[in-house]
Amino acid sequence: AQTVTQSQPEMSVQEAETVTLSCTYDTSENNYYLFWYKQPPSRQMILVIRQEAYKQQNATENRFSVNFQKAAKSFSLKISDSQLGDTAMYFCAFMKRQGAQKLVFGQGTRLTINP
Amino acid sequence: DAGVTQSPTHLIKTRGQQVTLRCSPKSGHDTVSWYQQALGQGPQFIFQYYEEEERQRGNFPDRFSGHQFPNYSSELNVNALLLGDSALYLCASSLGLTHPGELFFGEGSRLTVL
Repeated sequence: AQTVTQSQPEMSVQEAETVTLSCTYDTSENNYYLFWYKQPPSRQMILVIRQEAYKQQNATENRFSVNFQKAAKSFSLKISDSQLGDTAMYFCAFMKRQGAQKLVFGQGTRLTINP
Repeated sequence: DAGVTQSPTHLIKTRGQQVTLRCSPKSGHDTVSWYQQALGQGPQFIFQYYEEEERQRGNFPDRFSGHQFPNYSSELNVNALLLGDSALYLCASSLGLTHPGELFFGEGSRLTVL
């Protein structure tokens, strides 16, 4: 079975700062995907970024980038130039490449961006 | 283009009762998944439906059942409610395997069991 661990329950930074959220996972699979999902206070979960395990290059989406360390089973999210709208719960998630699209989520990190 | 819609948004039930939650997927999506999110926790996978059949199931008892209709909408049924079933129930839709893991979530149905 796969597990995802987010060791930072809460984080808080000032607007425009850079913040890094940590995630580790455990799996015996070799082919899989990793994701960061954002859940703003309105509750609707949205995909932030996706990483395919077979790709060595770290994924980037505008101000969001990841540091994927496959051997260490680590998958951190860096948010640059943070904005007030980045305030949300952030969930790291794992999905096997084969089979049904079942996401295994971590416990989440509550990120607050202060003005 | 409407996203994923869920109903009801909030509901209160008592122990032992039964509940049905409904979900309409994003236009064009054929796969629906259900997740349970307890307060302060990450979502837990309940099951997934594709072509009106349950494709995969998480570690939930048989009290949790579902259905997918020909128009791809879906229902989640929970029988014999327990206090521990209180949670936010999220529906997510996707388009087959075209965009792996790219789920579109609804705002959820908040169930409170008294």
